[in-house]
Amino acid sequence: AQSVTQPDIHITVSEGASLELRCNYSYGATPYLFWYVQSPGQGLQLLLKYFSGDTLVQGIKGFEAEFKRSQSSFNLRKPSVHWSDAAEYFCAVAHGGSNYKLTFGKGTLLTVNP
Amino acid sequence: DTAVSQTPKYLVTQMGNDKSIKCEQNLGHDTMYWYKQDSKKFLKIMFSYNNKELIINETVPNRFSPKSPDKAHLNLHINSLELGDSAVYFCASSHSQGRIAKNIQYFGAGTRLSVL
Repeated sequence: AQSVTQPDIHITVSEGASLELRCNYSYGATPYLFWYVQSPGQGLQLLLKYFSGDTLVQGIKGFEAEFKRSQSSFNLRKPSVHWSDAAEYFCAVAHGGSNYKLTFGKGTLLTVNP
Repeated sequence: DTAVSQTPKYLVTQMGNDKSIKCEQNLGHDTMYWYKQDSKKFLKIMFSYNNKELIINETVPNRFSPKSPDKAHLNLHINSLELGDSAVYFCASSHSQGRIAKNIQYFGAGTRLSVL
């Protein structure tokens, strides 16, 4: 069964600093990978996704993520964090075929200091 | 113009009661899901329906019963509520065709259920 690990429960960065959130997955085949963001009291918004092709994917709000098969990782990055980026970030893997479910990591809470 | 809408947003109730959460999507999708987010923010799928048919049923107590009257609606009914049912419940939807489209899920804003 697939699994997703987000090693960092909570990360604090200063506004304007760069950000990297880690995600490792366990999956037998080529995974479909996602990053979602959950702002306080809100639902989940899709930031970006990887299915195949270019291993560096661009998303909304200036985020990008890089798929590294050799490390089973899909880390999320942003060069300069804004205070509005403070939120919970979830990495997820999808199992294709007839089973559409997403398996989520436990999330990383991002705090942004002024 | 909400794509996936859930009602109510908040639900506070006593143990033993029966309650329902409604979900509607206007994206033209034919697959819908219910996820549970526990107090530690961990998200886990509960159910999935495709064209009103149940396709995923994770290990969920029988007290939880999803109902899909049509492709655009998936409601969640919970009988005999327990303290441990307190959580945020998210509805989501997706297409069922297309390698990429069927794996992109759109989420509602969630329903925070508090069982006292």
